Amino acid sequence: QKEVEQNSGPLSVPEGAIASLNCTYSDRGSQSFFWYRQYSGKSPELIMSIYSNGDKEDGRFTAQLNKASQYVSLLIRDSQPSDSATYLCAHLLSFGNEKLTFGTGTRLTIIP
Amino acid sequence: DVKVTQSSRYLVKRTGEKVFLECVQDMDHENMFWYRQDPGLGLRLIYFSYDVKMKEKGDIPEGYSVSREKKERFSLILESASTNQTSMYLCAAVGGLHRNTIYFGEGSWLTVV
Repeated sequence: QKEVEQNSGPLSVPEGAIASLNCTYSDRGSQSFFWYRQYSGKSPELIMSIYSNGDKEDGRFTAQLNKASQYVSLLIRDSQPSDSATYLCAHLLSFGNEKLTFGTGTRLTIIP
Repeated sequence: DVKVTQSSRYLVKRTGEKVFLECVQDMDHENMFWYRQDPGLGLRLIYFSYDVKMKEKGDIPEGYSVSREKKERFSLILESASTNQTSMYLCAAVGGLHRNTIYFGEGSWLTVV
């Protein structure tokens, strides 16, 4: 089983709708979770980090973490064409052990 | 803003050549990383370093070495490049308010022919 699993997509969402991206992880010791956005040919860019169970909101983005279910998600409200990218989920086992493990990414396309 | 700079964006090298990929960070932090990214395989950790002259193997270190002579600089070395090392290479460093967020450089596209 991969440490971090994501649906590779592609996921297509109409403009203005909510895009929902999901990620599961296998190590219950995971402490920190990150969502990165990567445009084609570019390096990953950090969007959200989440450390505690529950929701964390930042503008149109909401990260949700459920450690009991080993599940983290990213919701994008009012999706825009500029949100079309590959989204990478990543986790750290513990603070100080800063070896970040990534999923293979979900490709998201926002349809105008 | 944090800054991670990879000096070489696009390189074409011949099989057997020695290749240096340089990375510099301005966050004055100890932890730096080299990843490679390939379609369908995601980001894979090659090597990382927690301090000057220290290095740790990641998940795919074979065929690579690293050098960390100064805190701000972390170099990836391909001793004898092979075609299966054609990839995008990403350097990363730790930064952020709580110094627990990893930021990436712009990437180096290496083609080995």
